[in-house]
Parts: sequence; structure tokens; C-alpha cells
Amino acid sequence: KAGVTQTPRYLIKTRGQQVTLSCSPISGHRSVSWYQQTPGQGLQFLFEYFSETQRNKGNFPGRFSGRQFSNSRSEMNVSTLELGDSALYLCASEGDKGGQETQYFGPGTRLLVL
Amino acid sequence: QKEVEQNSGPLSVPEGAIASLNCTYSDRGSQSFFWYRQYSGKSPELIMFIYSNGDKEDGRFTAQLNKASQYVSLLIRDSQPSDSATYLCAVSTGANSKLTFGKGITLSVRP
Repeated sequence: KAGVTQTPRYLIKTRGQQVTLSCSPISGHRSVSWYQQTPGQGLQFLFEYFSETQRNKGNFPGRFSGRQFSNSRSEMNVSTLELGDSALYLCASEGDKGGQETQYFGPGTRLLVL
Repeated sequence: QKEVEQNSGPLSVPEGAIASLNCTYSDRGSQSFFWYRQYSGKSPELIMFIYSNGDKEDGRFTAQLNKASQYVSLLIRDSQPSDSATYLCAVSTGANSKLTFGKGITLSVRP
């Protein structure tokens, strides 16, 4: 099976702009979670989508939003970018491994906000 | 706030030694526990998970869970330089719940 894919891999934006990141889960996986990773805060949960519905949400401002399509592909959007949004954005799709729901990460999108 | 804490590190061990990585969690309702490895510039990859008290072994890796004391650990036997990475502990409170990650500990294995 192909792994989780994310596009684009790298992105440079300026403050105030918006950005859309895309994630394609492993075939058959219906859950997609998004995380922000920074050196200071580590890996922080943004939100999770399952069957096109947001199932869980982290503590991020409303500038961060997401959606999931019927084919389980997911996008996240960040509006009005701030310098502090510079980070590695990871998505993970969830599937069964030995009876345990397990998350598999994509390669990430590295976002730099100038 | 539900937290997952890992030793601040970094941890340095000689090649062939046992590396012991520890993690504590605050939510007593936590049910599943995961260890991920992340090489510099790469994304996290799952090493193993555990959900029952006791030890679980997979090759050179052993995960240990003690729910009463709210800690989970990862032992790496016969450490190799290729094990040098950041190790992330993650906790879930059950099906359909999110994963909460610790900040990770960086392991360096000296040849």
C-alpha cells in the first residue's frame, strides 16, 4: 500500500496570506489527523476528520480549519498567516494494526512564514 | 490539561548499551500508548504500541506499561548508531480519541 502523501512539501508565504495543505491517506483509511510540529512546542494536535466530519479538535485559533472529502483526502487551511505559524505540518491517517487503531504519518509540509 | 511528559534529555549511550526512555501521563483514563521514532528532518514512524500492563517485546525494543504509576517506558537493547533519533511518546484515551504527544527525547548512540 502506498503511504500517506502530503502536498506541497515546502511552502514560503508572507504574513497575512492564507495557505491550503493537502493530505491523501493510506488507501482504506477513513480518519485523518493534522498536527503542527515546532521545536518549542513539539507535536500539537490540530484536528481529526472521519468520514467527512470533524471528530476531534485541538486548541488552535479559528484561523486553522480543515475539511475532508468523500475519498478521505483532507485539506487544512490557515488564514491570515502569522510568523508563529512557521512549522512542520503533519497529517496522519489511522488504520488497524494488530487490533489497535494506529496512526501513520505523512512526510509533512514545511511552512515558512516571512 | 491532559499531559504527557518525557525526560528532557538529550540521552547519550554507547553502542551496544541499553537505552531507557521514560514517559509519564496525567490522564488516568488513558488506554493506549505508543512510541514513535523521528529522525531529523523526517516524520514520526511507529515503533510499537502497548495497552496492557507489563512488558511487550519486539526485536530489540521493549515497551513497559505501569498504569498504576502512570508511566510507560521504552527500552532499546544493543543500541546502534542508527537508533540515534528523537523518540516520541503518545497516549490515547480510547477509540476515536486523539493522540497526545510528549515533546520527545533525543537519543544519541555513540559508536
